[in-house]
Amino acid sequence: AQSVTQLGSHVSVSEGALVLLRCNYSSSVPPYLFWYVQYPNQGLQLLLKYTSAATLVKGINGFEAEFKKSETSFHLTKPSAHMSDAAEYFCAVSKAGTASKLTFGTGTRLQVTL
Amino acid sequence: GAGVSQSPRYKVAKRGQDVALRCDPISGHVSLFWYQQALGQGPEFLTYFQNEAQLDKSGLPSDRFFAERPEGSVSTLKIQRTQQEDSAVYLCASSLLAGSYNEQFFGPGTRLTVL
Repeated sequence: AQSVTQLGSHVSVSEGALVLLRCNYSSSVPPYLFWYVQYPNQGLQLLLKYTSAATLVKGINGFEAEFKKSETSFHLTKPSAHMSDAAEYFCAVSKAGTASKLTFGTGTRLQVTL
Repeated sequence: GAGVSQSPRYKVAKRGQDVALRCDPISGHVSLFWYQQALGQGPEFLTYFQNEAQLDKSGLPSDRFFAERPEGSVSTLKIQRTQQEDSAVYLCASSLLAGSYNEQFFGPGTRLTVL
């Protein structure tokens, strides 16, 4: 069975500050890992994904994440927060191989203040 | 281009009523997923189709939940005899191919409220 844990249900940063959203995973097989963003009343949008290629993954809107097997982590970062980054962020894991469901964390709400 | 669409966007049902939720995936996408998202939670998997075949329904919470995709495109999630605990946002997602590395594109969801 696979699972992800997102530490911190709410994170608040100032505009221009570093964004760090934490995700730890549990998987008995090599995982695929994803970060999705959800804006109010909208569907989830993929930010980036790790599929066993480069461990540092760059995504849209300036976000990136690093897969660290030794720490079972896949934390999401952005060097400088923008007001438009305020949203709900979900980390998700799936099994490598044939089509597989996504198992999501409980989400982290990012607030960006002036 | 058109993304995944879902209808209705909002549905209010009285307890005991049957409801049907529709998903129009991106044209040509092989895989289709349904998820349930309770308030303040992450989405939870319900069921998966590859074309018209329902390959995984392990997440359906009870036999009141039924999903179909008869022609391999549009899908319907039906909930019979709705209960208050069924209140949630139901998300549909599609992906082009069958591999789990493929991006799932999500629709805006249907918010179901059972009174």
